[in-house]
Amino acid sequence: GQNIDQPTEMTATEGAIVQINCTYQTSGFNGLFWYQQHAGEAPTFLSYNVLDGLEEKGRFSSFLSRSKGYSYLLLKELQMKDSASYLCAGMDSNYQLIWGAGTKLIIKP
Amino acid sequence: GAVVSQHPSWVICKSGTSVKIECRSLDFQATTMFWYRQFPKQSLMLMATSNEGSKATYEQGVEKDKFLINHASLTLSTLTVTSAHPEDSSFYICSAETGHDYNEQFFGPGTRLTVL
Repeated sequence: GQNIDQPTEMTATEGAIVQINCTYQTSGFNGLFWYQQHAGEAPTFLSYNVLDGLEEKGRFSSFLSRSKGYSYLLLKELQMKDSASYLCAGMDSNYQLIWGAGTKLIIKP
Repeated sequence: GAVVSQHPSWVICKSGTSVKIECRSLDFQATTMFWYRQFPKQSLMLMATSNEGSKATYEQGVEKDKFLINHASLTLSTLTVTSAHPEDSSFYICSAETGHDYNEQFFGPGTRLTVL
């Protein structure tokens, strides 16, 4: 079956760095997405990886290892506004997104 | 670019009534639109995929006669929750796909439905 696993909740300190891990099992693979979702709002796109390696975009970076079925989202210089849920989603061979349950990130001053 | 709107943002209705939610792509033509439901502290659950001019494809366990989807144009899809019951109370989110790049989905702001 298809499955996305990510931690339920993480806590980090303002100004620090946090890494949110995601492992995936999909029928075929057409890329791995990360979305940010603030409470009561719709998800917003953060990153997309389809090749192995690290993609850096400002304070956020995303890594993919296809052989390990593993990705992580790295957030640097954490700000209070980064408190949100971070959703990992894998795209299968039918271009359908398989969603993880999300990781709630709590930022403390 | 790639803005998706939803209307209404929130709705409260009585049990047994029907509610229509609109999803519009404002600055692009969406080849495909998706309807999701999200319960508190849970992930997005895909309900159905709709393509303009054709019948929606429903996910297993989603009643097509209860959740009517119409994708009348490349910029508008509607979800009608018929004979709503309290268990239908949820956050309904639509997304639209441009068909470009890597099939990135752009999400609407969501509609919070409360059925009394």
